[in-house]
Amino acid sequence: AQRVTQPEKLLSVFKGAPVELKCNYSYSGSPELFWYVQYSRQRLQLLLRHISRESIKGFTADLNKGETSFHLKKPFAQEEDSAMYYCALSLLNTNAGKSTFGDGTTLTVKP
Amino acid sequence: GAVVSQHPSWVICKSGTSVKIECRSLDFQATTMFWYRQFPKQSLMLMATSNEGSKATYEQGVEKDKFLINHASLTLSTLTVTSAHPEDSSFYICSARDRTSGRFNEQFFGPGTRLTVL
Repeated sequence: AQRVTQPEKLLSVFKGAPVELKCNYSYSGSPELFWYVQYSRQRLQLLLRHISRESIKGFTADLNKGETSFHLKKPFAQEEDSAMYYCALSLLNTNAGKSTFGDGTTLTVKP
Repeated sequence: GAVVSQHPSWVICKSGTSVKIECRSLDFQATTMFWYRQFPKQSLMLMATSNEGSKATYEQGVEKDKFLINHASLTLSTLTVTSAHPEDSSFYICSARDRTSGRFNEQFFGPGTRLTVL
């Protein structure tokens, strides 16, 4: 069974500092990895997915199959980045679409 | 695009009554919808996967007779909490997968429904 681990429940950084939210997964097949974000009083929304290899709001994440990691990074954190971040894994090339979510990391960016 | 709505946004009910929560994809067709529970400051717990026109697939430990799921159309899934009890109080979130998304498993989330059982 697949598993997603976000080791940090809380993460606090100062504005302008680099930030890295860790995500490790376990799955023997081909995973599809996502980062979702939930801002205060808002719904969950997709931040980025590894297949697109895109940068959204300055965030990037690289899938490292050797380390089974998909850490989320931003070189200069902003106060508006304060939110709950969830790493999620789906099975590639399936029609089920079911995702396994990590426990989430609450990021606080202090002024 | 890809908006998912939920109704109601919050509901308070007496113990023993049943509550229905609707999840709608407003501008796309959803072959699959998912129902989650979210506890305070905790992650999402997948309850079941709802496929249009077929029975829902429940996760281990979720009582299918208590949490009835119906996915009657490509834009609507309902979750009915039957004979609700205070321990069922939670934040219920649905999500939907766009049938045109192909191999991409991105989910679009509803705003959630806060259920309080007295």
